[in-house]
Amino acid sequence: DGGITQSPKYLFRKEGQNVTLSCEQNLNHDAMYWYRQDPGQGLRLIYYSQIVNDFQKGDIAEGYSVSREKKESFPLTVTSAQKNPTAFYLCATWGGPNTGELFFGEGSRLTVL
Amino acid sequence: AQSVTQPDIHITVSEGASLELRCNYSYGATPYLFWYVQSPGQGLQLLLKYFSGDTLVQGIKGFEAEFKRSQSSFNLRKPSVHWSDAAEYFCAVGLRSSNTGKLIFGQGTTLQVKP
Repeated sequence: DGGITQSPKYLFRKEGQNVTLSCEQNLNHDAMYWYRQDPGQGLRLIYYSQIVNDFQKGDIAEGYSVSREKKESFPLTVTSAQKNPTAFYLCATWGGPNTGELFFGEGSRLTVL
Repeated sequence: AQSVTQPDIHITVSEGASLELRCNYSYGATPYLFWYVQSPGQGLQLLLKYFSGDTLVQGIKGFEAEFKRSQSSFNLRKPSVHWSDAAEYFCAVGLRSSNTGKLIFGQGTTLQVKP
């Protein structure tokens, strides 16, 4: 099936540790996005990538890093510099200008202990 | 700055009643407009979108939305709510000229359905 796979679905981390969230897609979309969701705040853009080997900071990039070595993959690393990393993280791909639609994965919930 | 406002954080309706969720945006030009729905612990699913043309758009699950340029609004409606509609709903806008998928999302409206 075509879609976006995020893993792990749940992740627990101790303070001071880096963690990496995986996002894989087989929709053949060029652009990929990472959003952070907190209760009552909607979705906020962390990073996005419009093409392989290129990525741009979003509105809340501090404390996060990404890579885009393959079209299918866009992993997000939550570093120890992120002050409040407990959140729900959503990966999405863009269907292009003809649809304008973002397609979302099922999300990963990160909890810092 | 561009922004999206969903004035109602939480709405409760009875099953079978009609529903309207409000969305207002602040943009320099007519944007792309979307409504997404999210079940707890899940990703977002597109309900409907407006690009151009007819300002009343139909979506999945019996939802519709109307774009009103003069009011900068894109309210979501459903004539008769089902218990399975309980979820969180997000309005989002995208800039036509950006050629990216960068969307700005509202804060969300949580819908509770009473039996």
